[in-house]
Amino acid sequence: GAVVSQHPSWVICKSGTSVKIECRSLDFQATTMFWYRQFPKQSLMLMATSNEGSKATYEQGVEKDKFLINHASLTLSTLTVTSAHPEDSSFYICSARALNYEQYFGPGTRLTVT
Amino acid sequence: AQTVTQSQPEMSVQEAETVTLSCTYDTSESDYYLFWYKQPPSRQMILVIRQEAYKQQNATENRFSVNFQKAAKSFSLKISDSQLGDAAMYFCAYRRADNSGGGADGLTFGKGTHLIIQP
Repeated sequence: GAVVSQHPSWVICKSGTSVKIECRSLDFQATTMFWYRQFPKQSLMLMATSNEGSKATYEQGVEKDKFLINHASLTLSTLTVTSAHPEDSSFYICSARALNYEQYFGPGTRLTVT
Repeated sequence: AQTVTQSQPEMSVQEAETVTLSCTYDTSESDYYLFWYKQPPSRQMILVIRQEAYKQQNATENRFSVNFQKAAKSFSLKISDSQLGDAAMYFCAYRRADNSGGGADGLTFGKGTHLIIQP
């Protein structure tokens, strides 16, 4: 149980375009999901907290207009990187908080902006 | 704000030996959770072990155990009988307790320790 999926696992997009990443909790409901970013050989940094039915909370220094988060249902949160630039290339990982308060991680999405 | 520090960028151990990974943290909270996560080359985050700050007893999961020193804000991971499959990045992480108010919290991670297992 407690499986989280992400789609796509790897995406390449051109500079200036937008790309959407999905995070799904497959066998449990998650009122809260978290989005992290991991640069190569670095740690995970929390970007934002996504709450079902309400606006996301962004960490300091994260541009909310660039990283749009929508948590429209109890099993799905999406992260849209708008007007992507090469410096947005990174590994994006989501986690979903279950009713037992534990957080379960998705497998991550590798974004490459050319 | 809370911080998590892992001072060992890389550690190497012989297969079947024991290795200890260090982690210190800083927080003003009295109730919180500490975690060790493993990230293999696949980059999937795998929970290794979890410790509640209010519990004095150190958590243990098979070959993995922690030494939790709350007063010193230290949380080290000991891996016994190291196996080749233990090779990975290991991240120490912190989260406020669920009853701390202000909604759910994400995890604060240390910079990680790259563990190498020598056959």
